[in-house]
Amino acid sequence: SQKIEQNSEALNIQEGKTATLTCNYTNYSPAYLQWYRQDPGRGPVFLLLIRENEKEKRKERLKVTFDTTLKQSLFHITASQPADSATYLCALDISYNFNKFYFGSGTKLNVKP
Amino acid sequence: SQTIHQWPATLVQPVGSPLSLECTVEGTSNPNLYWYRQAAGRGLQLLFYSVGIGQISSEVPQNLSASRPQDRQFILSSKKLLLSDSGFYLCAWRLYERAGGTQYFGPGTRLLVL
Repeated sequence: SQKIEQNSEALNIQEGKTATLTCNYTNYSPAYLQWYRQDPGRGPVFLLLIRENEKEKRKERLKVTFDTTLKQSLFHITASQPADSATYLCALDISYNFNKFYFGSGTKLNVKP
Repeated sequence: SQTIHQWPATLVQPVGSPLSLECTVEGTSNPNLYWYRQAAGRGLQLLFYSVGIGQISSEVPQNLSASRPQDRQFILSSKKLLLSDSGFYLCAWRLYERAGGTQYFGPGTRLLVL
């Protein structure tokens, strides 16, 4: 089955810096890779999607890269703010069965003022 | 616009008791529906998904079951709860047969089995 790895250790950065989160996957190549934000006690909220034939996607202060050779996606938040503190999850859409949808365990980001 | 409801919000149940969690979606037709469980400090584990009424795919063998009696209703059940069933249960929907479609999550049910 698909294995998705995200750094389980919390990422602590100073306000204004760029946060970079990593998502690695094994086995099947996803058709799409998505990033979600989850706040404590809430369901995840969609942030960005990148397709397998795209290298990079941007939305305001967010940037996602997708390297299908390395089987890795990087998620960047530039000019980070304390309000960006949350857990960020990557999720994969399996190309041969896009009804299935798997999430990584998430990385907790702490942005300190 | 679409909304997704889950209830109850919180549940405390004794070991061995039955369980029924309900999820309903408004504002869309024929959605894919999903049940996830999240243990404390962990990621989301896909439990079941459904592409239509009466169609249930199970991802993890366990003492839980799911049913979809109506197009926009998804129910998670158990006949006898285990301590390990404690967790945060999330229902989600996405558009059917739309690869890359975003998942939209409900508010979740926090279940504590004692």
